[in-house]
Order: sequence, then C-alpha cells, then structure tokens
Amino acid sequence: QVQLVQSGAEVKKPGASVKVSCKTSGYGFTSHYMSWVRQAPGQGLEWMGVINPRAGSIGSAQKFQGRISMTRDTSTSTVYMELSSLRSEDTAVYYCARGRRSSDYDPFDYWGQGTLVTVSS
Amino acid sequence: EIVLTQSPGTLSLSPGERATLSCRASQSVSSGYLAWYQQKPGQAPRLLIYDASSRATGVPDRFRGSGSGTDFTLTITRLEPEDLAVYYCQQYNISPLTFGGGTKVEIK
Repeated sequence: QVQLVQSGAEVKKPGASVKVSCKTSGYGFTSHYMSWVRQAPGQGLEWMGVINPRAGSIGSAQKFQGRISMTRDTSTSTVYMELSSLRSEDTAVYYCARGRRSSDYDPFDYWGQGTLVTVSS
Repeated sequence: EIVLTQSPGTLSLSPGERATLSCRASQSVSSGYLAWYQQKPGQAPRLLIYDASSRATGVPDRFRGSGSGTDFTLTITRLEPEDLAVYYCQQYNISPLTFGGGTKVEIK
C-alpha cells in the first residue's frame, strides 16, 4: 500500500531554516510528482511547490521562490523540503502530497501525515 | 493566479439531507482540472473528486462533482454523520495550484 511518512515536529527560531522529509513506499517513486502543501493553524491549504522525483526538477509558487528548496533521494525513495529565513507566519503543518498521475499539475491522491513547524523566538 | 471562492462558508444540515457546495473560479479552469478534498479534524486532506466529476478510489457514490469553466459544485446526496468535515476545491490547471477557502459541513 502507498505510504508517505513525514519527519517529526520542529520548533525553529525566526531566521532559521527547517528541512522536512517525506519517505515513500508502496509505489514507483519516480512515477509520480510530489508536491508540498502547508496549512497554518485554523486556515486553509496553500500549495508551495512540486518536485519531479525522476529528474529532480522543481517548480514553486512565486511566494516561496528564493526560500524553498526541494530535493529527493532515489535510493531511499524520500523527498525533502527545506524552507529558509523562517518567520512566525511560516508556523503551519506541512504536508507532502503525491500527484495522481505523471504530471507536475495533478490532484493529490495520497498525503503524508503532516509535520508541524513552529516558528517562535 | 486563479482565485477560487467557495460558498457557503458553513453548511449545517441533518443526516439524510442533500448538501450543495459551490466553488467559483476567477478565470476558466480548462479541461475541468478541478478537484475536491475532504479534511476531517486532525487529519490530512483526502481526495474525493478529480477532473471535476470523477470519483477517486473508494469514495462513496453519494459524493458527486459537476461543473465546468468557472462554476463547479460538489453534491453530497445523502449526508452521513461521518461527512462532518471541511471541503476544499483545488484547481490544477495552471501554476500556482490554488485551493478555495473551504466549506465547513456541520451535522445537526
């Protein structure tokens, strides 16, 4: 069965960086793009960016360009998202979400359990 | 970017009633590249509908998606108590992918 298992909660100070991992299993890792979506407390969903696990190419929302990095490790079927220059507004649950088909713009059929990132001085 | 506006903000209905949720886009969503998700408290979202009207695997047939262009609808034909959740629409036609603000469904 398809599983996306994310790393644990993080507490960071303003200005720091955070790196969240998403380990996948149960399907062909390079066959589906992976996106990152975040949700601030009590708020809606916000798409951050997408990585092609086969090529390593990425695309991101303009809002995060310059601050977001997405990478993958094909040997462990894991994708990573790193967000830098953190501020309090980045406090949110961060999800990895698998694209349903082999395209960068896809609905998300499997989601990780979420990783809470808290930014506080 | 495409802005998605969902209405109503909250829907309070009794079990067995029909729920109609609306999602309006600021510009046409080509090819019907619109999805609906259900998010229960404390859980990750779950894909219900993709391509405007196709049900995802395992989704009960009481969930129905319709619409095209700029107007889309999610209908829950007979509400069940477990349908208590927030429902989001999402367009994946153009980047950035965007979500609506959500409709909260309450069960009386």
